[in-house]
Amino acid sequence: EAGVTQFPSHSVIEKGQTVTLRCDPISGHDNLYWYRRVMGKEIKFLLHFVKESKQDESGMPNNRFLAERTGGTYSTLKVQPAELEDSGVYFCASSQYAQLNSGNTIYFGEGSWLTVV
Amino acid sequence: GNSVTQMEGPVTLSEEAFLTINCTYTATGYPSLFWYVQYPGEGLQLLLKATKADDKGSNKGFEATYRKETTSFHLEKGSVQVSDSAVYFCALSANQAGTALIFGKGTTLSVSS
Repeated sequence: EAGVTQFPSHSVIEKGQTVTLRCDPISGHDNLYWYRRVMGKEIKFLLHFVKESKQDESGMPNNRFLAERTGGTYSTLKVQPAELEDSGVYFCASSQYAQLNSGNTIYFGEGSWLTVV
Repeated sequence: GNSVTQMEGPVTLSEEAFLTINCTYTATGYPSLFWYVQYPGEGLQLLLKATKADDKGSNKGFEATYRKETTSFHLEKGSVQVSDSAVYFCALSANQAGTALIFGKGTTLSVSS
């Protein structure tokens, strides 16, 4: 069974440009999450989809970030315009059930490394 | 608010040494606790978890016990291998719905032969 896949694995863009990151969750997983780790800091929650709906987007840093999950399958995270402080690793994850504190497992992708210069 | 504090790294050990990576947390309610590992060039993988106080999670020789009285979830392994070199992240389930994770900053472990 394929895991969570992310594309691109690495991206280098100039400040002010746009980047779109894509995530394909594990088949059948309704719950999809985006996290990011900026250099030297914690991995931080960005948002959570249940199917195509945004369940929780409390971690989205500002309106330069737009996440979509049309059709409830893959998701995209667009950064427009990118700033230097957006550099980091963007992780996508998926789970069959939403309740993590009941012991359900969330599976992470390898991450998309974004460098803004 | 909820938070996780991990010991600062990097941690450098010789093969077969004993490993402890400290993790303490602050949380309301009763979160689940997790250790994730990221090997070089790979994504985050769940290493072990514990969902209630006094539970012990274990996997691949690693163990961690959920200690509510000390709000800790320290990771231990009796004898590390070179292949254990990775970044280790302690995490807890963040919100009341239990649908998001809060991570520590990560601890880099380097094991030499």
